Amino acid sequence: ETGVTQTPRHLVMGMTNKKSLKCEQHLGHNAMYWYKQSAKKPLELMFVYSLEERVENNSVPSRFSPECPNSSHLFLHLHTLQPEDSALYLCASSPGTVTDTQYFGPGTRLTVL
Amino acid sequence: AQSVAQPEDQVNVAEGNPLTVKCTYSVSGNPYLFWYVQYPNRGLQFLLKYITGDNLVKGSYGFEAEFNKSQTSFHLKKPSALVSDSALYFCAVIPPPNAGNMLTFGGGTRLMVKP
Repeated sequence: ETGVTQTPRHLVMGMTNKKSLKCEQHLGHNAMYWYKQSAKKPLELMFVYSLEERVENNSVPSRFSPECPNSSHLFLHLHTLQPEDSALYLCASSPGTVTDTQYFGPGTRLTVL
Repeated sequence: AQSVAQPEDQVNVAEGNPLTVKCTYSVSGNPYLFWYVQYPNRGLQFLLKYITGDNLVKGSYGFEAEFNKSQTSFHLKKPSALVSDSALYFCAVIPPPNAGNMLTFGGGTRLMVKP
């Protein structure tokens, strides 16, 4: 349960605000991920950092900006979001190979007004 | 095109009865297949995975799944459901050749187990 932590757990922001989501993993993993979970839509992979190299889903808008300063920390910087960006944002980590299990944090519930 | 599908939005089962949550995939070759579960207000938890070898995979909490290549399915099963199994279940696939750990999830199936 405490292997992957996310802060804050809840966030309400206006469309002109800038905020950041934080994820930290204590599992010694080499890959970290951001997912978006919206109601009635499949879980959407947004970004992957593997050995600190980034792979991204090209459909993610530029108002979402990830940062991975080291293998234990992952940020998602948010600016000028839209109401449709309201969702649960999940962070995950894995040891690094393609068949590895991913371990998820509890998520940040984001509401954009 | 979606590479993994969960045809049922919700499955209802009585406690003590067997349960099945369906998953089909549409990638060629031998994919890597996963099941995750999400309890209310929590992140996803790993249940089991198929990589290679025995088609019947046993996982956490008494769940199992069978990889069926001819039917391109990976249905999740449990012989006797518990009320505490009520949750949202996600099937996921990594198609071969691997593409940078790009796990693709199905839309999820809500399992309701009634006493």
